Amino acid sequence: QVQVVESGGRLVKPGGSLRLSCTASGFTFSALYMTWLRQAPGKGLEWVSKISGPGDVSVYTDSVKGRFTISRDNARNLVYLQMNSLRVEDTAVYYCAVDPYHYASHPWGHGTLVTV
Amino acid sequence: QTALTQPPSASGSPGQSVAISCTGSSSDIGAYDYVSWYQQHPGQAPKLILYEVTKRPSGVPDRFSGSKSGNTASLTVSGLQAEDEAYYYCSSHGNIINVIFGGGTKLTVL
Repeated sequence: QVQVVESGGRLVKPGGSLRLSCTASGFTFSALYMTWLRQAPGKGLEWVSKISGPGDVSVYTDSVKGRFTISRDNARNLVYLQMNSLRVEDTAVYYCAVDPYHYASHPWGHGTLVTV
Repeated sequence: QTALTQPPSASGSPGQSVAISCTGSSSDIGAYDYVSWYQQHPGQAPKLILYEVTKRPSGVPDRFSGSKSGNTASLTVSGLQAEDEAYYYCSSHGNIINVIFGGGTKLTVL
């Protein structure tokens, strides 16, 4: 079955950088969009970024544009989220997810905590 | 473009039906049939239960159903069960934000 696992979350100082990784399996990885979402402690869900199967199209929410970069390595079934100029308000559990349907993510990984 | 509007809480007794609304605008819910619903139990990752307004991923019980009218979408949970107690989030594709979420609704099974 489809599995998604994130890693890389940790405590980082404001202004610092961090790269999150996500590995996925159980499907044709290069065929589907992959998405990063986040959830601040005790808060709701927020969509962050997505990248097309070939990796040629990426989209970001306004609050991270110019600071975060999404990328993927289809040979290794990996998706990355490079986060620069981190702010306190970026503190959240970051989830990686597969987008098998239009604008819907399924399944999600267990998440990785980023604390700024 | 602010978050979609959901009631903070909803409740029902076992066996009953409960509906949760999700109100957006003509730039998101009103413009696209790309409304999704997610279920999140405490300490767990969200799980997709409906996509494209009415479609269920494999394995999701048909007790979960969705609809949309104008700028408002709704999730109905029929035959409430104890395990349905969770947070429910709606989302929609939008003109400004690629995917916009609602603030979440805590469903309590009485």
